[in-house]
Amino acid sequence: DARVTQTPRHKVTEMGQEVTMRCQPILGHNTVFWYRQTMMQGLELLAYFRNRAPLDDSGMPKDRFSAEMPDATLATLKIQPSEPRDSAVYFCASGLPPGLGIGEQFFGPGTRLTVL
Amino acid sequence: AQKITQTQPGMFVQEKEAVTLDCTYDTSDPSYGLFWYKQPSSGEMIFLIYQGSYDQQNATEGRYSLNFQKARKSANLVISASQLGDSAMYFCAMREDDYGQNFVFGPGTRLSVLP
Repeated sequence: DARVTQTPRHKVTEMGQEVTMRCQPILGHNTVFWYRQTMMQGLELLAYFRNRAPLDDSGMPKDRFSAEMPDATLATLKIQPSEPRDSAVYFCASGLPPGLGIGEQFFGPGTRLTVL
Repeated sequence: AQKITQTQPGMFVQEKEAVTLDCTYDTSDPSYGLFWYKQPSSGEMIFLIYQGSYDQQNATEGRYSLNFQKARKSANLVISASQLGDSAMYFCAMREDDYGQNFVFGPGTRLSVLP
């Protein structure tokens, strides 16, 4: 049963600390998405990659957030320095291009981040 | 302007009855896809059903069906024979094919199924 995995599932940290979230997409999926979910803003796209290349990171605060795909099995989202307003659930999703199917995204379980 | 509108923040339905969750969208792209996801209290996002803009028939998946009215730009989710386990947040999302694979999500509707 192929699933997107994310670590850690929960993270509590203090303001100013660096936070790194990791995602393992489903094997064979060539697109990876990072979302942030908050009560106020709902689900927001932060960045997405195709074939490990960043295609859109316009939703990401550039001064403190960075996203990378060091290889096809790992995507990372880093916040440095973290702030209380970054508290949210961060989802990773992966998928195939619409030409190879309907293009649905498969979501990981999320990382619940709390910045004190 | 909001690309996806879900006007019902919360809905209640009696167990075993049918319920319709509304979704309207805004796009000038002739090729797009519409998706519904369920998010139970555990937090995971579960894909439910898909409708392509060129699909002639409404999509169905088990107890889920999509009432697709292209001219009105609506893609309402119908859940038949509601079950207690259907209580969750439901999100409508759109992919505009001219703009890549990223989705735009609506604000969601919280469905509560009453015993």
